[in-house]
Amino acid sequence: GAGVSQTPSNKVTEKGKYVELRCDPISGHTALYWYRQSLGQGPEFLIYFQGTGAADDSGLPNDRFFAVRPEGSVSTLKIQRTERGDSAVYLCASSSRTSETQYFGPGTRLTVL
Amino acid sequence: DQQVKQNSPSLSVQEGRISILNCDYTNSMFDYFLWYKKYPAEGPTFLISISSIKDKNEDGRFTVFLNKSAKHLSLHIVPSQPGDSAVYFCAASEDRGGTSYGKLTFGQGTILTVHP
Repeated sequence: GAGVSQTPSNKVTEKGKYVELRCDPISGHTALYWYRQSLGQGPEFLIYFQGTGAADDSGLPNDRFFAVRPEGSVSTLKIQRTERGDSAVYLCASSSRTSETQYFGPGTRLTVL
Repeated sequence: DQQVKQNSPSLSVQEGRISILNCDYTNSMFDYFLWYKKYPAEGPTFLISISSIKDKNEDGRFTVFLNKSAKHLSLHIVPSQPGDSAVYFCAASEDRGGTSYGKLTFGQGTILTVHP
């Protein structure tokens, strides 16, 4: 079956701009996670959803970052006033329940010039 | 504060030999541990996991060992194959009953190269 998909695969933007990154989880998966991976580092947790609600957003670095999952399926990570330090690969994962294995998408590489 | 550490950035092994990847953690609340494998331009792929109530879990060529007292786990791959060449990440999560359970904390990764 289809895995987790993320669009776009690459996004180049200018400092100060607004970006949206999209994640389509595996069908039927109720839990959805966002991570950020900087060069040479492991993925760093940002936020996870159980259904439509954010169960834990403790990893969001500041109020420029926001994520939604209005219908409990697709999620969008929104970054306002982008900064060069936001450049990273943004990974999305989903699982059938919070306690189950997380399956990752290929990521969106964000470059802020 | 790096709660999960993989102190070896890289490991090189001959095909057919054993690969041992190590991981240390500091958070005593971690009770579930996973290994992920990552190829370039792909997302991490789940390999194997272990609960803190066990000290070993085996799946084919892959075995994970957990030493809770030392807060250390390791992944053994035997025999190693060239297709195993990838970045390996150790990850951990906290108590299943807590709301933080879905959050995985990853190590920095170890690049494994298996030479033919």
